[in-house]
Amino acid sequence: QVQIVQSGAEVKKPGASVKVSCKASGYPFISYAIHWVRQAPGQRLEWMGWIYAGNGNTEYSQKFQGRVTFTKDASASTAYMELSSLRSEDTAIYYCARGYTARITSTTVGYYFDYWGQGTLVTVSS
Amino acid sequence: EIVLTQSPDTLSLSPGERATLSCRASQSVTSSYLAWYQHKPGQAPRLLISGASSRATGIPDRFSGSGSGTDFTLTISRLEPEDFAVYYCQQYGSSPGTFGQGTKLEIK
Repeated sequence: QVQIVQSGAEVKKPGASVKVSCKASGYPFISYAIHWVRQAPGQRLEWMGWIYAGNGNTEYSQKFQGRVTFTKDASASTAYMELSSLRSEDTAIYYCARGYTARITSTTVGYYFDYWGQGTLVTVSS
Repeated sequence: EIVLTQSPDTLSLSPGERATLSCRASQSVTSSYLAWYQHKPGQAPRLLISGASSRATGIPDRFSGSGSGTDFTLTISRLEPEDFAVYYCQQYGSSPGTFGQGTKLEIK
């Protein structure tokens, strides 16, 4: 069965970086994209972007462009999310999820998420 | 971007009762591209419904989704103890996909 397991909680100081891992099993890792979604305290779930596990193509939400990097290690069926220049507002639970693509128009697609990791709490505090 | 508003924020019901959760969009959701998720504390969110009404693999038939345009509903026909959780809707018909604020379904 499909399982996605994330790395453990992190505590970081403002200005530092954090790298969260997301290990998938039970399906062909390189055939799907892994998406990253976060939820800050009292806030809605917020999509951050995706990495296609086959060729490493990425798309980042404009909000996080320049500060987030997605990578993957196909041999380990693991995806990674690195967020830099951390600030207190980045305190959140970060989720990875397998993405399912739905065609909207000939040039645009939408995504929903059929399997999720358990989440990784990242706390940014001085 | 499309804003999704879920109601009520909290729903208090007893096992065996019927639950009706609402998700309203600020503009029409293309192709009824709307999903529902169940989330319990400390666990991975679970996909229940996609395309407004298609149950995901392994989801019991007491869960059903309906709606189109701007108004969508998740119905749980007879609540089981394991159904008490937070439920989120998500639209993926326009970019970026967005989520509702969630409805907490609690035991009365």
